[in-house]
Amino acid sequence: AQSVTQLGSHVSVSEGALVLLRCNYSSSVPPYLFWYVQYPNQGLQLLLKYTTGATLVKGINGFEAEFKKSETSFHLTKPSAHMSDAAEYFCAVSGNGNNRLAFGKGNQVVVIP
Amino acid sequence: EAGVTQFPSHSVIEKGQTVTLRCDPISGHDNLYWYRRVMGKEIKFLLHFVKESKQDESGMPNNRFLAERTGGTYSTLKVQPAELEDSGVYFCASSQASGNTIYFGEGSWLTVV
Repeated sequence: AQSVTQLGSHVSVSEGALVLLRCNYSSSVPPYLFWYVQYPNQGLQLLLKYTTGATLVKGINGFEAEFKKSETSFHLTKPSAHMSDAAEYFCAVSGNGNNRLAFGKGNQVVVIP
Repeated sequence: EAGVTQFPSHSVIEKGQTVTLRCDPISGHDNLYWYRRVMGKEIKFLLHFVKESKQDESGMPNNRFLAERTGGTYSTLKVQPAELEDSGVYFCASSQASGNTIYFGEGSWLTVV
């Protein structure tokens, strides 16, 4: 079985500052890892994913995440926050070849001008 | 190309009534999933169809929930009779037969009063 831990339900970041959202996972098989974003009044949109290969993955809107097996982590970063980054972010994991996703509780990101 | 489409986007019903949610997956996607987010909780898996067959329905909360995918195209999720704790957002998602990326719809927001 897989599970995800996201700490800090609400995260405030100043415009232009680093965005760092932490994700730790548990998986009994090699994981596939995902970050999804939900903008206000919209559905879940895939930001980026890790399946195999390069451990640093780049996604849309300047976000990237690094898979660290030794730390069972997949933290999401963006060097400079923009007002449009205000949204809820979800980390998710699935087992290798199993498309059932287990989600974290989400981080509501607020960007302060 | 159209994404995953869900109807209705919002629904308010009284306790004891029936609601049917519909999902149209991305064309050609054999895998179809239902997920749910109850207020304040994480997004939870409900079930997974491969074409018209239920691959995994272990996340369905109880027998008041019935999902169908006749003909392997669109799917419906019926809640009968609805209870207050059924309120939340119901997400539908789809993926290709051999794909590891799951695409989500905008969700159907259900409020039971």
